[in-house]
Amino acid sequence: SQQGEEDPQALSIQEGENATMNCSYKTSINNLQWYRQNSGRGLVHLILIRSNEREKHSGRLRVTLDTSKKSSSLLITASRAADTASYFCATDAGGGNKLVFGAGTILRVKS
Amino acid sequence: DGGITQSPKYLFRKEGQNVTLSCEQNLNHDAMYWYRQDPGQGLRLIYYSQIVNDFQKGDIAEGYSVSREKKESFPLTVTSAQKNPTAFYLCASTGTGGNQPQHFGDGTRLSIL
Repeated sequence: SQQGEEDPQALSIQEGENATMNCSYKTSINNLQWYRQNSGRGLVHLILIRSNEREKHSGRLRVTLDTSKKSSSLLITASRAADTASYFCATDAGGGNKLVFGAGTILRVKS
Repeated sequence: DGGITQSPKYLFRKEGQNVTLSCEQNLNHDAMYWYRQDPGQGLRLIYYSQIVNDFQKGDIAEGYSVSREKKESFPLTVTSAQKNPTAFYLCASTGTGGNQPQHFGDGTRLSIL
């Protein structure tokens, strides 16, 4: 069953703009992860945020987690054409190192 | 370099045929996973294995089988009982302990002839 739900389903922005994607989930978690998938490729891990963390940064990425609202957001600043990809959130709600993935947000960055 | 290798990249299945997708990792990870991805959708878990010689069904195991005879290898067989096998199949692995990211291969695209 799908635990995470990303919003929006698709996002189209100009190069240099910021992109924000949101993820909601239903049950308690230990961590939430964000992944990127380029067309026809496997997923690449971007960032993991633990349930006791509220914000985490990695380069141009900023992830927030609000466990009271069961939601997370991924912000990509100063976007580039190379950021064009699908972005997925995943939670460990499956237990035993299993992840439950959302349906993803398709990001298109126009140059 | 350490990573996960999936083969083949493209695979075609005839009706009534079983096909096997290969997944090999040299990351020394104990846990391995198989996911199915349909167009425009997220990943659904088919099977997973947390240790050699042991594996469990995921959310959509019907029509699929796996084995885990070696730590490095976790092949997936798509049997003739899987009536809608056309999809993108992804293999992943992760280390032991909590809060670990999963590492993915580049997938196998399976189509019906």
